[in-house]
Amino acid sequence: EADIYQTPRYLVIGTGKKITLECSQTMGHDKMYWYQQDPGMELHLIHYSYGVNSTEKGDLSSESTVSRIRTEHFPLTLESARPSHTSQYLCASSTRDRGGYTFGSGTRLTVV
Amino acid sequence: GENVEQHPSTLSVQEGDSAVIKCTYSDSASNYFPWYKQELGKRPQLIIDIRSNVGEKKDQRIAVTLNKTAKHFSLHITETQPEDSAVYFCAARGIGGGGNKLTFGTGTQLKVEL
Repeated sequence: EADIYQTPRYLVIGTGKKITLECSQTMGHDKMYWYQQDPGMELHLIHYSYGVNSTEKGDLSSESTVSRIRTEHFPLTLESARPSHTSQYLCASSTRDRGGYTFGSGTRLTVV
Repeated sequence: GENVEQHPSTLSVQEGDSAVIKCTYSDSASNYFPWYKQELGKRPQLIIDIRSNVGEKKDQRIAVTLNKTAKHFSLHITETQPEDSAVYFCAARGIGGGGNKLTFGTGTQLKVEL
C-alpha cells in the first residue's frame, strides 16, 4: 500500500549522540517535509524539499540537517542530540496536483 | 508569508451538539484550505479540504465554508460523537515562493462529552 513510513517509531538516546530519523514514501510524491510537534501542539516546519537535491530550512530554527538524494527518501540528521530536541518528528509528502499532505506516523524522540 | 490564526484553542461540546472551528488567513492569494484531524498518539489525517473557487463543501457530518472576502474559513461538525474528540488543524496554501507549502493554524483540542 502506498504510504509514508518513518523509523524508528520511538527513540531514547543520550546527549551528544548523532542520530538519523528515516522517512520514506511510496506515493510517488515529489515534495517532502519535516515537522516538529510536541504532543497535540503546533506543527513547526523545520525542513522541506521540492525534489532531488533541493532542500530548504523551514520556519523553526533547527540544529538538524536533511538530504534528498532519492525522490522517495528524506532523512533528518541531528549531529549532536540535546534534551531540547526531545519532541515528536513528523514527516510528510505531497504533490503539486493534490495540495494536501500525507503524514507519516512520526518518531517520538527522547534525549536524556 | 502566510499567517493562519485558529480559534478556539479548546472546545468542549456535548455529544450530539455541533462544533465550529474558525480560521483566518492573511494572504489573499491563498487558494487551498485543508483541515486535519489528529487523534491522540496518531498522525494528522486530512478530513476535508476546499479550494478558493468554492464557498462550501460537505462530507457527511463535516462541512467547510470559505469567505474569501473576509479571508476566513470554518469547520463545522454536526451531531458530534465521542470519536470526534481530537486536535483539529486548519491550513492554507499560498501561491508565492513557498509553492506547495501549507501554513498551519495552532490547533483546536475538541472534546466531545457524553
